[in-house]
Amino acid sequence: AQKVTQAQTEISVVEKEDVTLDCVYETRDTTYYLFWYKQPPSGELVFLIRRNSFDEQNEISGRYSWNFQKSTSSFNFTITASQVVDSAVYFCALYGGATNKLIFGTGTLLAVQP
Amino acid sequence: SAVISQKPSRDICQRGTSLTIQCQVDSQVTMMFWYRQQPGQSLTLIATANQGSEATYESGFVIDKFPISRPNLTFSTLTVSNMSPEDSSIYLCSAQLGTRDTQYFGPGTRLTVL
Repeated sequence: AQKVTQAQTEISVVEKEDVTLDCVYETRDTTYYLFWYKQPPSGELVFLIRRNSFDEQNEISGRYSWNFQKSTSSFNFTITASQVVDSAVYFCALYGGATNKLIFGTGTLLAVQP
Repeated sequence: SAVISQKPSRDICQRGTSLTIQCQVDSQVTMMFWYRQQPGQSLTLIATANQGSEATYESGFVIDKFPISRPNLTFSTLTVSNMSPEDSSIYLCSAQLGTRDTQYFGPGTRLTVL
């Protein structure tokens, strides 16, 4: 079975703090894809990043970075120097070839206080 | 990537009525999907909208309640029929250029049923 676990339901930080959002996944597929999406209060789902199972290189994009570790089945997301505009629900998702479906975690609500 | 628009963006409806949500993609895509997001919850896949044939529904969702059309490669509709307050949710459509490509999401339709 495929599953995505985001154990952190809510996180509150003060602006400029660094914050890491955890994501742990389960799959039997050898080829799969991992994603992070951001959902601000307006409701739209914004694609942030996609990672293939055979590419474990960490990625950095501005203040965002992602740490993919197959050994621990984790795909964690770090925001450096957080800003109020980062306040949103963040979803981790898994796409496996066997099911051809995108499985979402339960999401982490990040509140960045000024 | 794909740019997706949805109409209406929000609506307030009376119990027992039906609402049709439209989803338009700016390019031809292989796959289109419809999701439901109940308040404070993650996304749940309703169905895959198949071009030229009947949609493929997930467990717990039926065609009589959620009829879906997909007349071409850029457009789909979802109807929420005989609505009840439990149908109050955000409904999102998504599009995927190819089978293993990233899913991009529309801005969502926020539905409230009184």
